Amino acid sequence: SQKIEQNSEALNIQEGKTATLTCNYTNYSPAYLQWYRQDPGRGPVFLLLIRENEKEKRKERLKVTFDTTLKQSLFHITASQPADSATYLCALDRGGSQGNLIFGKGTKLSVKP
Amino acid sequence: DAGVIQSPRHEVTEMGQEVTLRCKPISGHNSLFWYRQTMMRGLELLIYFNNNVPIDDSGMPEDRFSAKMPNASFSTLKIQPSEPRDSAVYFCASSLGTVGFNEQFFGPGTRLTVL
Repeated sequence: SQKIEQNSEALNIQEGKTATLTCNYTNYSPAYLQWYRQDPGRGPVFLLLIRENEKEKRKERLKVTFDTTLKQSLFHITASQPADSATYLCALDRGGSQGNLIFGKGTKLSVKP
Repeated sequence: DAGVIQSPRHEVTEMGQEVTLRCKPISGHNSLFWYRQTMMRGLELLIYFNNNVPIDDSGMPEDRFSAKMPNASFSTLKIQPSEPRDSAVYFCASSLGTVGFNEQFFGPGTRLTVL
């Protein structure tokens, strides 16, 4: 079965720096991959989706890459701000005809002023 | 739109009691998902519905858990009898379709504590 690893439970960076979060999967290559943000006491909020035939996707200060050879996605936040502090989850499709998602456990990002 | 609505937001109950969690998806969304989140296991899919029909319930832990969706605007997740290991945050999410490239919209969650 598909396994997802977000290899840092926590990441601490200084304001203004670029945060890079990693999502690795172990089995089949998903047709797409999604990234969500979760704040304490709240549900996850969708940020970006990238498909298997896309190498990179951008949205404002966010950038996602998808490398099916490495079985890895990288999530970048440029010019990070304290307001970016949250837990970030990656999610993959389950494959086959089922369209629902498998979520990683998340990386907790803390941006210090 | 008010987003996905869940109730109650917090539930504290004693072992053996029945617990019912409620969800109202976003109007017009035809897929609804129930998740459970714990520190140890992260966010796990329990069951999902498409057009009010359960499609995949393989994530439901055991027979003590059941879910229904009697109409397009309401779903329940029931635990009977509840056990301390059921303590977790339960999320409901909805989307425009089952195909996974549709983003999912999550509710605020119900924090369940079983004593």
